Amino acid sequence: KNQVEQSPQSLIILEGKNCTLQCNYTVSPFSNLRWYKQDTGRGPVSLTIMTFSENTKSNGRYTATLDADTKQSSLHITASQLSDSASYICVVSPGTSYGKLTFGQGTILTVHP
Amino acid sequence: AAGVIQSPRHLIKEKRETATLKCYPIPRHDTVYWYQQGPGQDPQFLISFYEKMQSDKGSIPDRFSAQQFSDYHSELNMSSLELGDSALYFCASSASGQGSYEQYFGPGTRLTVT
Repeated sequence: KNQVEQSPQSLIILEGKNCTLQCNYTVSPFSNLRWYKQDTGRGPVSLTIMTFSENTKSNGRYTATLDADTKQSSLHITASQLSDSASYICVVSPGTSYGKLTFGQGTILTVHP
Repeated sequence: AAGVIQSPRHLIKEKRETATLKCYPIPRHDTVYWYQQGPGQDPQFLISFYEKMQSDKGSIPDRFSAQQFSDYHSELNMSSLELGDSALYFCASSASGQGSYEQYFGPGTRLTVT
């Protein structure tokens, strides 16, 4: 069974601080890895997509890294804002099917003023 | 920019009833995906359609069926509803011409079965 494991499960930080979320996956073959932000009760919103040949990708204050050899990815958030409070989900797409995304259980980030 | 539209946003049904969820993809997107997210769980892929044909199938119960219509909107039909079907149902769409096959998610339909 393909798996995507995320850590930590939850994280509380103060506004303005940086944080890093981790994702380990065992999906094989692997096509691409995505990070999504999901607010409670709403649909996931894509932050970054990386193929196996990409090591890093940035989207504003979000920077994702990927090590396809160790099957690890991280999402770094800089200068956190209150609006960053959400669940951050690591999603892996297998090489065989673009539709069958495998979702991690997410890291719940809470940013306090 | 237009996003994925799902209707209804909230739905309350009783056990053994039938429910129909609708999804309207982003204009010019030809692929639709359905996901089910139970309370405190990660989304699970149910089924997808490309150009009105089923393209992939995940953990969709036999009591559920879905189709994509000529205008590319999709409907998920759920029969003999069970309490365990209570979940958030997401629809996503993508354009096959995009190399990344980026999926854009709708806001979801929250189904409550009582």
